[in-house]
Amino acid sequence: IAGITQAPTSQILAAGRRMTLRCTQDMRHNAMYWYRQDLGLGLRLIHYSNTAGTTGKGEVPDGYSVSRANTDDFPLTLASAVPSQTSVYFCASSDDRGSGELFFGEGSRLTVL
Amino acid sequence: GQNIDQPTEMTATEGAIVQINCTYQTSGFNGLFWYQQHAGEAPTFLSYNVLDGLEEKGRFSSFLSRSKGYSYLLLKELQMKDSASYLCAVLDSNYQLIWGAGTKLIIKP
Repeated sequence: IAGITQAPTSQILAAGRRMTLRCTQDMRHNAMYWYRQDLGLGLRLIHYSNTAGTTGKGEVPDGYSVSRANTDDFPLTLASAVPSQTSVYFCASSDDRGSGELFFGEGSRLTVL
Repeated sequence: GQNIDQPTEMTATEGAIVQINCTYQTSGFNGLFWYQQHAGEAPTFLSYNVLDGLEEKGRFSSFLSRSKGYSYLLLKELQMKDSASYLCAVLDSNYQLIWGAGTKLIIKP
């Protein structure tokens, strides 16, 4: 049972480059989320999706985009990376949007130079 | 604004009991959650409270007082593997999870 798989695990990226973080779940969960986690701050929601075909903006969406073409996949794209996007990114899923019990991927550590 | 407060760091001794507090001010309330996060790993769900009172799950218990905007996570018979960060989160009226910054728990032998 894989749960949620994120890729890459770690990446160093030059500022201005485009980057897509991949996220796949095999639990058939309706809702999926992208968070960033920075030292001293709580998890901050970037984008979410209540169900396949729909997406919504979270607390810190600027500079990021997502798509949800099917139930399993929820990629996060940085169109033109900036150093302030250096962070650990977690993808998560839940049965539905109203559930606070989230299942997280192992995280993607992104460094933008 | 919405806010969740929890201590930044706590230290406890192996075999002892520790209580990690969380206070919150949110737009509505649909439940309070505790997660455990070991260093370099993903958060994992520990407990859920939606009604006032104590929920017990093995060595871990979580308490909620909605009128006081307060919760605590109680860890008994501490083990070295309990060294981790503990995250408090509240599901607000829009069903969005609001997260605290986490409490880093250090267990000493």
